Amino acid sequence: AQSVSQHNHHVILSEAASLELGCNYSYGGTVNLFWYVQYPGQHLQLLLKYFSGDPLVKGIKGFEAEFIKSKFSFNLRKPSVQWSDTAEYFCAVNARHQLIWGAGTKLIIKP
Amino acid sequence: KAGVTQTPRYLIKTRGQQVTLSCSPISGHRSVSWYQQTPGQGLQFLFEYFSETQRNKGNFPGRFSGRQFSNSRSEMNVSTLELGDSALYLCASSSWEDYIGELFFGEGSRLTVL
Repeated sequence: AQSVSQHNHHVILSEAASLELGCNYSYGGTVNLFWYVQYPGQHLQLLLKYFSGDPLVKGIKGFEAEFIKSKFSFNLRKPSVQWSDTAEYFCAVNARHQLIWGAGTKLIIKP
Repeated sequence: KAGVTQTPRYLIKTRGQQVTLSCSPISGHRSVSWYQQTPGQGLQFLFEYFSETQRNKGNFPGRFSGRQFSNSRSEMNVSTLELGDSALYLCASSSWEDYIGELFFGEGSRLTVL
């Protein structure tokens, strides 16, 4: 069965630290990959997506992610986090017309 | 452009009752999908509708059902509520016919079952 694994459930960083959130998926076919973010009290919103082409994709608010097909990974990165990045981050894979979600990573940025 | 609207935002029910949740997608979006979000299980796919047809269904019991109307508005119904149905129910709409996952979410309906 298809699955998405996010390695860290909770991450605490100080402002200006670098961020990398891991995401691995299991699905052998063509996939579309996503990172969604849920800020406190707000709805889920798309952070970035990969459909095809350049495996390094850039999203909103300075986030980027790299698709490594051989590792079935789609890790999210940001060089310098801000307090406003405190949120829950979800990796998702679209396979066979449904989204399969990771468990989410709660990110807390200490000011 | 108005976003995805879900009603009601909060509701409290007792075991055995049934509940209907409503979702109005972004204008022009014909795909509507529903998810259940809980702290323990995360985001779980319920079903997806496109042009009034259910195209995909998650692994939930038959107590969970949905429908979509000709104006793309959607409802989901949960009958014979159980304590474990307490969750945030999210609706998402998409403009992609092929449902490749670029979803726009509503704020959710938070259901508490007592």
